[in-house]
Amino acid sequence: QKEVEQNSGPLSVPEGAIASLNCTYSDRVSQSFFWYRQYSGKSPELIMSIYSNGDKEDGRFTAQLNKASQYVSLLIRDSQPSDSATYLCAVNGGDYKLSFGAGTTVTVRA
Amino acid sequence: KAGVTQTPRYLIKTRGQQVTLSCSPISGHRSVSWYQQTPGQGLQFLFEYFSETQRNKGNFPGRFSGRQFSNSRSEMNVSTLELGDSALYLCASGAPGVNEQFFGPGTRLTVL
Repeated sequence: QKEVEQNSGPLSVPEGAIASLNCTYSDRVSQSFFWYRQYSGKSPELIMSIYSNGDKEDGRFTAQLNKASQYVSLLIRDSQPSDSATYLCAVNGGDYKLSFGAGTTVTVRA
Repeated sequence: KAGVTQTPRYLIKTRGQQVTLSCSPISGHRSVSWYQQTPGQGLQFLFEYFSETQRNKGNFPGRFSGRQFSNSRSEMNVSTLELGDSALYLCASGAPGVNEQFFGPGTRLTVL
């Protein structure tokens, strides 16, 4: 079983819609959770971090964490063509490394 | 603040050669991590350094090694290159006491 799993995608949404990305992790001691955005040919860019259960909002992005269910999600509201990218879920288990999911590719249709 | 810098940005090597990649973290950051990204395996952790000490190492063969200098700059070395080592090598830096990691632009290594 992979440590971090994401819905495989690709995910295609119309402009203005909500894109919903999901991630599950296997290590119950995981402490920190991150979402990175990676444009084609570029390096990952940190867009959200979340450490405690509940929701965290930053602009059009909302991260949700449920440690009991070992689940973290990212919602992108009012999706724009510039949101088209691969989104990577990353988990830190307190051992100085990030474990990444395979990523979900999002395409926003104009 | 300047971001994480990596040099060189692109490298072409042949099988059997060795390569050294360099990473300069964000000013004030003392943690440097290295990751390998390939289409098949995704992002995989190589190792992490803090204050010149390796604190964790991923499941890579001994051909992959690294080090960190007193100014927090880091290098990674791959010896006896194999075709499968072709990848994007990413360096990330983190501030003390903070779990967030910020990536550099990466070094694209092609092994022929």
